[in-house]
Amino acid sequence: GAVVSQHPSWVICKSGTSVKIECRSLDFQATTMFWYRQFPKQSLMLMATSNEGSKATYEQGVEKDKFLINHASLTLSTLTVTSAHPEDSSFYICSAVRDRGNEQYFGPGTRLTVT
Amino acid sequence: AQTVTQSQPEMSVQEAETVTLSCTYDTSESDYYLFWYKQPPSRQMILVIRQEAYKQQNATENRFSVNFQKAAKSFSLKISDSQLGDAAMYFCDLLEGGSEKLVFGKGTKLTVNP
Repeated sequence: GAVVSQHPSWVICKSGTSVKIECRSLDFQATTMFWYRQFPKQSLMLMATSNEGSKATYEQGVEKDKFLINHASLTLSTLTVTSAHPEDSSFYICSAVRDRGNEQYFGPGTRLTVT
Repeated sequence: AQTVTQSQPEMSVQEAETVTLSCTYDTSESDYYLFWYKQPPSRQMILVIRQEAYKQQNATENRFSVNFQKAAKSFSLKISDSQLGDAAMYFCDLLEGGSEKLVFGKGTKLTVNP
Protein backbone atom coordinates (compact mmCIF):
# COMPACT_ATOMS: atom_id res chain seq x y z
CA GLY A 1 0.00 0.00 0.00
CA ALA A 2 0.94 3.65 -0.31
CA VAL A 3 2.57 5.24 2.73
CA VAL A 4 2.56 8.89 3.69
CA SER A 5 4.67 10.16 6.57
CA GLN A 6 4.51 13.38 8.52
CA HIS A 7 7.15 14.97 10.67
CA PRO A 8 7.04 15.91 13.43
CA SER A 9 4.15 13.97 14.94
CA TRP A 10 3.95 16.40 17.84
CA VAL A 11 5.36 19.87 18.34
CA ILE A 12 5.11 22.58 20.96
CA CYS A 13 6.17 26.09 20.07
CA LYS A 14 6.00 29.51 21.65
CA SER A 15 3.64 32.18 20.46
CA GLY A 16 5.18 34.28 17.68
CA THR A 17 7.50 31.59 16.37
CA SER A 18 7.16 29.59 13.16
CA VAL A 19 6.94 25.84 12.81
CA LYS A 20 7.37 23.65 9.74
CA ILE A 21 5.56 20.35 9.16
CA GLU A 22 6.76 17.94 6.48
CA CYS A 23 4.63 15.53 4.49
CA ARG A 24 6.29 12.84 2.40
CA SER A 25 4.94 10.13 0.14
CA LEU A 26 7.38 7.30 0.79
CA ASP A 27 6.75 4.83 -1.99
CA PHE A 28 4.99 6.75 -4.72
CA GLN A 29 5.04 10.07 -6.51
CA ALA A 30 2.08 12.21 -5.54
CA THR A 31 0.37 14.24 -8.21
CA THR A 32 -1.34 16.29 -5.56
CA MET A 33 -1.03 16.75 -1.82
CA PHE A 34 -3.55 18.23 0.56
CA TRP A 35 -3.37 19.86 3.96
CA TYR A 36 -6.19 19.51 6.45
CA ARG A 37 -6.89 20.82 9.90
CA GLN A 38 -8.96 18.86 12.40
CA PHE A 39 -10.49 20.25 15.57
CA PRO A 40 -11.43 17.86 18.39
CA LYS A 41 -14.40 15.66 17.59
CA GLN A 42 -14.86 17.28 14.20
CA SER A 43 -14.35 16.32 10.61
CA LEU A 44 -11.34 17.26 8.54
CA MET A 45 -11.29 20.78 7.14
CA LEU A 46 -9.39 21.24 3.90
CA MET A 47 -6.90 24.09 4.10
CA ALA A 48 -5.14 23.92 0.76
CA THR A 49 -4.33 21.84 -2.29
CA SER A 50 -0.71 21.56 -3.32
CA ASN A 51 0.76 20.57 -6.68
CA GLU A 52 4.46 20.10 -7.30
CA GLY A 53 6.13 23.15 -8.76
CA SER A 54 3.13 25.43 -8.53
CA LYS A 55 1.53 27.65 -5.94
CA ALA A 56 -0.87 26.07 -3.52
CA THR A 57 -4.58 26.71 -3.84
CA TYR A 58 -6.03 27.81 -0.52
CA GLU A 59 -9.59 27.31 0.64
CA GLN A 60 -11.70 30.32 1.45
CA GLY A 61 -10.91 31.73 4.86
CA VAL A 62 -7.43 30.21 5.11
CA GLU A 63 -4.71 32.84 5.42
CA LYS A 64 -2.06 32.05 2.83
CA ASP A 65 0.48 34.30 4.52
CA LYS A 66 0.08 32.46 7.81
CA PHE A 67 0.02 28.94 6.41
CA LEU A 68 2.82 28.75 3.86
CA ILE A 69 2.83 25.66 1.68
CA ASN A 70 5.77 24.57 -0.43
CA HIS A 71 5.60 21.56 -2.72
CA ALA A 72 9.23 21.13 -3.69
CA SER A 73 9.04 17.69 -5.24
CA LEU A 74 6.60 14.93 -6.13
CA THR A 75 7.22 13.35 -2.75
CA LEU A 76 7.48 16.29 -0.36
CA SER A 77 5.17 19.09 0.70
CA THR A 78 5.71 21.35 3.70
CA LEU A 79 3.33 23.47 5.75
CA THR A 80 4.85 26.34 7.71
CA VAL A 81 2.72 28.01 10.34
CA THR A 82 4.18 31.49 10.63
CA SER A 83 3.96 33.67 13.73
CA ALA A 84 1.97 30.98 15.46
CA HIS A 85 -0.62 31.87 18.08
CA PRO A 86 -2.53 29.69 20.54
CA GLU A 87 -5.55 29.62 18.24
CA ASP A 88 -3.39 27.84 15.66
CA SER A 89 -3.12 24.89 18.01
CA SER A 90 -4.71 21.96 16.25
CA PHE A 91 -4.19 18.61 14.57
CA TYR A 92 -2.82 18.97 11.04
CA ILE A 93 -3.09 16.13 8.55
CA CYS A 94 -1.65 15.84 5.06
CA SER A 95 -2.70 13.48 2.31
CA ALA A 96 -1.41 12.52 -1.12
CA VAL A 97 -3.00 11.27 -4.30
CA ARG A 98 -1.18 8.89 -6.58
CA ASP A 99 -3.59 8.94 -9.49
CA ARG A 100 -6.53 11.18 -10.23
CA GLY A 101 -9.78 9.58 -9.13
CA ASN A 102 -8.07 7.37 -6.60
CA GLU A 103 -8.23 7.55 -2.87
CA GLN A 104 -6.16 9.93 -0.80
CA TYR A 105 -3.48 8.40 1.38
CA PHE A 106 -3.24 10.16 4.68
CA GLY A 107 -0.32 10.93 6.90
CA PRO A 108 -0.52 10.15 10.63
CA GLY A 109 -1.01 13.80 11.52
CA THR A 110 0.86 16.43 13.52
CA ARG A 111 -0.37 17.80 16.79
CA LEU A 112 0.64 21.45 17.15
CA THR A 113 0.43 23.20 20.49
CA VAL A 114 1.24 26.89 20.67
CA THR A 115 1.91 28.23 24.15
CA ALA B 1 -22.90 22.33 -4.40
CA GLN B 2 -21.76 18.88 -3.45
CA THR B 3 -22.61 17.75 0.08
CA VAL B 4 -22.25 14.63 2.19
CA THR B 5 -24.59 13.99 5.10
CA GLN B 6 -24.05 11.50 7.88
CA SER B 7 -27.16 11.64 10.03
CA GLN B 8 -25.87 9.45 12.85
CA PRO B 9 -23.34 11.28 15.05
CA GLU B 10 -22.89 8.15 17.17
CA MET B 11 -23.66 4.46 16.85
CA SER B 12 -22.95 1.46 19.00
CA VAL B 13 -22.87 -2.26 18.30
CA GLN B 14 -22.21 -5.43 20.23
CA GLU B 15 -19.11 -7.38 19.34
CA ALA B 16 -19.84 -9.95 16.61
CA GLU B 17 -23.06 -8.16 15.59
CA THR B 18 -23.77 -6.19 12.41
CA VAL B 19 -24.13 -2.44 12.15
CA THR B 20 -25.01 -0.11 9.28
CA LEU B 21 -23.78 3.46 9.02
CA SER B 22 -25.81 5.84 6.87
CA CYS B 23 -24.60 8.36 4.33
CA THR B 24 -26.39 10.44 1.73
CA TYR B 25 -24.78 12.76 -0.74
CA ASP B 26 -25.63 15.29 -3.36
CA THR B 27 -23.81 15.94 -6.61
CA SER B 28 -24.76 17.05 -10.08
CA GLU B 29 -21.91 15.08 -11.64
CA SER B 30 -22.37 11.67 -13.26
CA ASP B 31 -18.72 10.74 -12.72
CA TYR B 32 -17.80 10.46 -9.07
CA TYR B 33 -16.36 8.20 -6.40
CA LEU B 34 -17.48 7.45 -2.88
CA PHE B 35 -15.31 6.38 0.02
CA TRP B 36 -15.59 5.32 3.61
CA TYR B 37 -12.59 6.17 5.77
CA LYS B 38 -12.14 5.25 9.41
CA GLN B 39 -10.20 7.23 11.98
CA PRO B 40 -9.37 5.17 15.09
CA PRO B 41 -8.13 6.77 18.32
CA SER B 42 -4.63 6.90 16.81
CA ARG B 43 -6.14 9.47 14.39
CA GLN B 44 -4.58 7.79 11.35
CA MET B 45 -7.10 7.94 8.50
CA ILE B 46 -7.56 4.53 6.89
CA LEU B 47 -9.47 3.73 3.73
CA VAL B 48 -12.20 1.18 4.39
CA ILE B 49 -13.91 0.86 1.05
CA ARG B 50 -14.32 2.64 -2.28
CA GLN B 51 -17.12 2.72 -4.85
CA GLU B 52 -17.08 4.07 -8.38
CA ALA B 53 -20.43 5.59 -9.34
CA TYR B 54 -20.50 3.88 -12.72
CA LYS B 55 -20.31 0.45 -11.12
CA GLN B 56 -23.65 -1.08 -10.24
CA GLN B 57 -22.18 -3.79 -8.07
CA ASN B 58 -21.78 -2.89 -4.42
CA ALA B 59 -18.19 -2.86 -3.20
CA THR B 60 -17.12 -5.40 -0.60
CA GLU B 61 -13.96 -5.70 1.48
CA ASN B 62 -14.03 -8.67 3.82
CA ARG B 63 -16.44 -7.75 6.65
CA PHE B 64 -17.21 -4.36 5.14
CA SER B 65 -19.76 -3.84 2.40
CA VAL B 66 -21.74 -0.94 1.02
CA ASN B 67 -25.29 -0.48 -0.15
CA PHE B 68 -24.94 1.98 -3.01
CA GLN B 69 -28.29 3.37 -4.13
CA LYS B 70 -27.41 5.75 -6.92
CA ALA B 71 -30.88 7.09 -7.62
CA ALA B 72 -31.45 7.78 -3.95
CA LYS B 73 -27.89 9.11 -3.57
CA SER B 74 -27.34 6.85 -0.62
CA PHE B 75 -24.10 5.07 0.33
CA SER B 76 -24.39 3.12 3.57
CA LEU B 77 -21.65 1.02 5.14
CA LYS B 78 -22.38 -2.37 6.69
CA ILE B 79 -19.92 -3.87 9.13
CA SER B 80 -20.47 -7.55 9.80
CA ASP B 81 -19.11 -9.53 12.74
CA SER B 82 -18.04 -6.30 14.46
CA GLN B 83 -14.73 -6.39 16.27
CA LEU B 84 -13.36 -4.20 19.04
CA GLY B 85 -10.83 -2.82 16.57
CA ASP B 86 -13.64 -1.43 14.44
CA ALA B 87 -14.29 1.26 17.04
CA ALA B 88 -13.49 4.55 15.31
CA MET B 89 -14.88 7.63 13.63
CA TYR B 90 -16.17 6.75 10.19
CA PHE B 91 -16.24 9.37 7.46
CA CYS B 92 -18.22 9.13 4.24
CA ASP B 93 -16.55 11.05 1.44
CA LEU B 94 -17.37 12.13 -2.10
CA LEU B 95 -14.90 12.81 -4.90
CA GLU B 96 -16.31 14.26 -8.09
CA GLY B 97 -14.58 13.09 -11.25
CA GLY B 98 -13.43 16.53 -12.31
CA SER B 99 -12.20 17.48 -8.86
CA GLU B 100 -9.24 16.55 -6.72
CA LYS B 101 -10.91 17.47 -3.44
CA LEU B 102 -12.71 15.11 -1.11
CA VAL B 103 -15.98 16.31 0.38
CA PHE B 104 -16.20 14.98 3.91
CA GLY B 105 -19.23 14.07 5.96
CA LYS B 106 -19.23 15.07 9.61
CA GLY B 107 -18.52 11.54 10.72
CA THR B 108 -20.14 8.82 12.80
CA LYS B 109 -18.51 7.65 15.99
CA LEU B 110 -18.82 3.88 16.28
CA THR B 111 -18.49 2.19 19.64
CA VAL B 112 -18.12 -1.59 19.82
CA ASN B 113 -19.24 -3.11 23.10
CA PRO B 114 -17.66 -6.36 24.29
